[in-house]
Amino acid sequence: QQPVQSPQAVILREGEDAVINCSSSKALYSVHWYRQKHGEAPVFLMILLKGGEQKGHDKISASFNEKKQQSSLYLTASQLSYSGTYFCGTELGYSTLTFGKGTMLLVSP
Amino acid sequence: DTGVSQDPRHKITKRGQNVTFRCDPISEHNRLYWYRQTLGQGPEFLTYFQNEAQLEKSRLLSDRFSAERPKGSFSTLEIQRTEQGDSAMYLCASSLAPGDSPLHFGNGTRLTVT
Repeated sequence: QQPVQSPQAVILREGEDAVINCSSSKALYSVHWYRQKHGEAPVFLMILLKGGEQKGHDKISASFNEKKQQSSLYLTASQLSYSGTYFCGTELGYSTLTFGKGTMLLVSP
Repeated sequence: DTGVSQDPRHKITKRGQNVTFRCDPISEHNRLYWYRQTLGQGPEFLTYFQNEAQLEKSRLLSDRFSAERPKGSFSTLEIQRTEQGDSAMYLCASSLAPGDSPLHFGNGTRLTVT
């Protein structure tokens, strides 16, 4: 079951904040977040395990609401380097990730 | 750690031909995954190996697709009798078990079927 990401696209000015959401209709074991720049491979950002924990590094953090089977990725004080497509990948506990369709983020000067 | 490498980077083939792609994972990673990505979509799971054992294969995967990972090191993905719909970026990723470890992706092989 493919997770649903919203919004599909976000345009920000440098320094603004953004939230990207990922939801599933199935009970999740974990949620992964990746960023992919044009023509490059997806790059791992963070994993959240069930338990509602929140993680973060630098100005990018994420939360996992186990009851709602939702995860949100928070980008604060966005930088030009944050531009790219963000994918969430959900795992039901069977060791394979199913990715959403992605959220395109464009940060302009 | 040289990362995940894939070969070739680009492949153009005529419909009906067979193609084979290679993936070399990060050396200490025992899990290897194949994904397919088309424009504007997220990576779509194809199959994965733990060591040399192929543990899961997508139900959507045609019988024309086969993958191997002899000796639990590199892997190959073969597509027989290619169709235009097979045109996509084929991504390989590796990770350490257990399943909640991050995936490290290669740069992919872009397949164009004419």
